[in-house]
Amino acid sequence: ETGVTQTPRHLVMGMTNKKSLKCEQHLGHNAMYWYKQSAKKPLELMFVYSLEERVENNSVPSRFSPECPNSSHLFLHLHTLQPEDSALYLCASSQAGGFTDIQYFGAGTRLSVL
Amino acid sequence: DQQVKQNSPSLSVQEGRISILNCDYTNSMFDYFLWYKKYPAEGPTFLISISSIKDKNEDGRFTVFLNKSAKHLSLHIVPSQPGDSAVYFCAAPASGSARQLTFGSGTQLTVLP
Repeated sequence: ETGVTQTPRHLVMGMTNKKSLKCEQHLGHNAMYWYKQSAKKPLELMFVYSLEERVENNSVPSRFSPECPNSSHLFLHLHTLQPEDSALYLCASSQAGGFTDIQYFGAGTRLSVL
Repeated sequence: DQQVKQNSPSLSVQEGRISILNCDYTNSMFDYFLWYKKYPAEGPTFLISISSIKDKNEDGRFTVFLNKSAKHLSLHIVPSQPGDSAVYFCAAPASGSARQLTFGSGTQLTVLP
């Protein structure tokens, strides 16, 4: 098992669909993150969960809804998305409160909204 | 307003030569910096880091230099190899219990054989 696993790897959805992205980490970390990467832009932090509580929501539209049922799993629920939401969605985990700030990333979900 | 900036979107280097990737930051409170490498269709992978109490950290072919007075850091890769071709991101953590990383926009490095 790789450290951080994301499913699905690719997703195509219509603007009226509801779908969910899943992330699972096998590193024993206590913090998980969702990032969005659009073409030629920096990674944008969307949500942070530390010890299973959301500690950050960077002005993300409500059509994105995160869920963190335990320290190993993170979901991003999607509904009524817009074409501009098409991007690579990356999940990461880290050990919050540790000496370093190294985040470990999954391979991402490439989302296309039609 | 980007606190971490990579002003060169791309860099091409001949195999065996040195690659130098640059990063500037504006927040003098940053105390730790990281470099990540990203291949297409993969997530970023951690490469090397440096604490603000140091001015250099070396790991094999990779060396990161930090110039705090200039708020500048650089990643040196020597010798460069074709497998090093990837997008390189610098990042720095904000304060807080789960220290969020602020990333630069990345530099695409191409190492030519």
